[in-house]
Amino acid sequence: NAGVTQTPKFQVLKTGQSMTLQCAQDMNHEYMSWYRQDPGMGLRLIHYSVGAGITDQGEVPNGYNVSRSTTEDFPLRLLSAAPSQTSVYFCASRLGLAAYEQYFGPGTRLTVT
Amino acid sequence: DAKTTQPPSMDCAEGRAANLPCNHSTISGNEYVYWYRQIHSQGPQYIIHGLKNNETNEMASLIITEDRKSSTLILPHATLRDTAVYYCIVRGTDKLIFGTGTRLQVFP
Repeated sequence: NAGVTQTPKFQVLKTGQSMTLQCAQDMNHEYMSWYRQDPGMGLRLIHYSVGAGITDQGEVPNGYNVSRSTTEDFPLRLLSAAPSQTSVYFCASRLGLAAYEQYFGPGTRLTVT
Repeated sequence: DAKTTQPPSMDCAEGRAANLPCNHSTISGNEYVYWYRQIHSQGPQYIIHGLKNNETNEMASLIITEDRKSSTLILPHATLRDTAVYYCIVRGTDKLIFGTGTRLQVFP
């Protein structure tokens, strides 16, 4: 299994541009989520999904959209990038709501100028 | 979900036990205590979890007080590779909410 994969690893955007961060898992996990981590801070939950077709907001959802059309993929869309969205983004998945171990991807480092 | 309080940083000599404390005084009866760690800039890694009994696995031990208001993660023989930020998380619902964690520095 490849586990949780994220692309791209690095990205630079100009203010106002849009882009999609990709996340995929090959473990047949129902639960997937997106976090952001600012320098020196812990991770903050952006959005999560408990299964295909179901998404919900986390702690800091503004400026981000998600969809979950398949079990494997959970893309994160930035509609109009702002410098405040400069961060490292982590995607995570686990088998289901009650599963105890959550697996994280390697992260995408995003800079918005 | 209950909040947790951890010291911002700790040091530990290589080969010694690292004891990382966590306070979670508002924990509810159905909430578990989870520990994750994040090495450098990698994605966090699951370590261990527990409800009310002490737990042990190949990575660490988790000691939860009888009133469940605090817990301690024990790395029995810390190595340099254990240098990381350790997060104590209380989780009852679906969301895994991170705090700021404890930065553990293991020195030779």
